[in-house]
Parts: sequence; C-alpha cells; structure tokens
Amino acid sequence: EAQVTQNPRYLITVTGKKLTVTCSQNMNHEYMSWYRQDPGLGLRQIYYSMNVEVTDKGDVPEGYKVSRKEKRNFPLILESPSPNQTSLYFCASSFGTGSIEQYFGPGTRLTVT
Amino acid sequence: GENVEQHPSTLSVQEGDSAVIKCTYSDSASNYFPWYKQELGKRPQLIIDIRSNVGEKKDQRIAVTLNKTAKHFSLHITETQPEDSAVYFCAASEGYTGNQFYFGTGTSLTVIP
Repeated sequence: EAQVTQNPRYLITVTGKKLTVTCSQNMNHEYMSWYRQDPGLGLRQIYYSMNVEVTDKGDVPEGYKVSRKEKRNFPLILESPSPNQTSLYFCASSFGTGSIEQYFGPGTRLTVT
Repeated sequence: GENVEQHPSTLSVQEGDSAVIKCTYSDSASNYFPWYKQELGKRPQLIIDIRSNVGEKKDQRIAVTLNKTAKHFSLHITETQPEDSAVYFCAASEGYTGNQFYFGTGTSLTVIP
C-alpha cells in the first residue's frame, strides 16, 4: 500500500530534550516536506527537500533540522525543543517536477512542557 | 514570499446548498493551486487542484476557478452533504521547479442536515 508514515504519532517531552520524528514514504517520491499545523494559522512549511542531500528552509525553520540521506526517509530533528514547538506536525511527499500533488502522513502531535 | 489569504474562516450551509470558499495570493510566480480537505483528527487530503494555464476545473460536485489576473481562486461545492463537513485549506506553489507551498488559514465548513 502506497503511504507516508510518521513516528511517533504522539509525543510528550520536556524542554531541551532532543527528539526526532521520523517520516518514511514507499512511493519513490523525490519531494518531501515537513509542516506544522497550529489553530488559526493553517499549515506552515518548516523544511522541504527536492532530492537526496538537497534540503531548503520553508517559512518557519527556526529550531528545526532535517536530513535527507535516503530517498524514502526525511526525519525532523528538534535539538532543543521549547514549548512554542508544541504543535501537530505533518510530513508530506510528492513525485517531483511536473507532479507535485502532495500526500500527507498521519501526523505527529508533539507537546513540549 | 507568498501570502495566501482565505475567507471565510467558518461557513455553515444547509444540506443541498452550495458552499464557496475564496483565496487570494500575492506572488504572480505561483502556478499551482491545490485544495485540501481535513476531517477532524485526520490528515489533509487533496480534493482538487488547478494550474495557472486553466481557468476552471470540475470534479463531480467540486469545482475550482482561478483568476490569475486578480490573483484569486475559489472552491465551489454544490449539493452539499453532511460528509462535506470538514476544514478546507487552499494553497499556492510555484509548481514547476520548487517544492515550496503556502497555505491559507483554513475554512471550517459545517453542513447542517
């Protein structure tokens, strides 16, 4: 089954404790993105990648890191999480140039206390 | 960067009536305009999209119109049903060589039986 998966789905952590949210797709997509969703603000792009080892900042990259060492995986890293990073996070992927319809993962709800 | 505005933020319609959601964008380089539906607790799902070389696109009860000169696009849902109740997001992207997406803040649609 073609899908985008994220882990964990729910996470409660404390300020400053490094964490990684994984994202994986099995559709051989070139493009991948991370978004955060907050009430009243819609979805905001954090980082995106157009190929292996190619990543770019989106609208709200501060406090986040990403890596794209393999085509199928695009982990989101929070080196020192803060309460303002409490949010719902979505990973998304698409084929690439000419076919950029995005498929979203199920979401990860992160709470930082 | 691009700025996408979406109106209204909430919309209630009687079952069988039509619903219209409008978005404006600021960057004339944007060429791809998707619409997503997000049911409560679920991931956003693409319902229809349009590229700038097309003025209108229809898929059963859903249609999208684009006015590139005025920089606005709209989602039209006819013969609404209770299962259309969800949050709808518009988005804009350059669409050919990049993977940056800018989302509206969402419209919560309620269809009253």
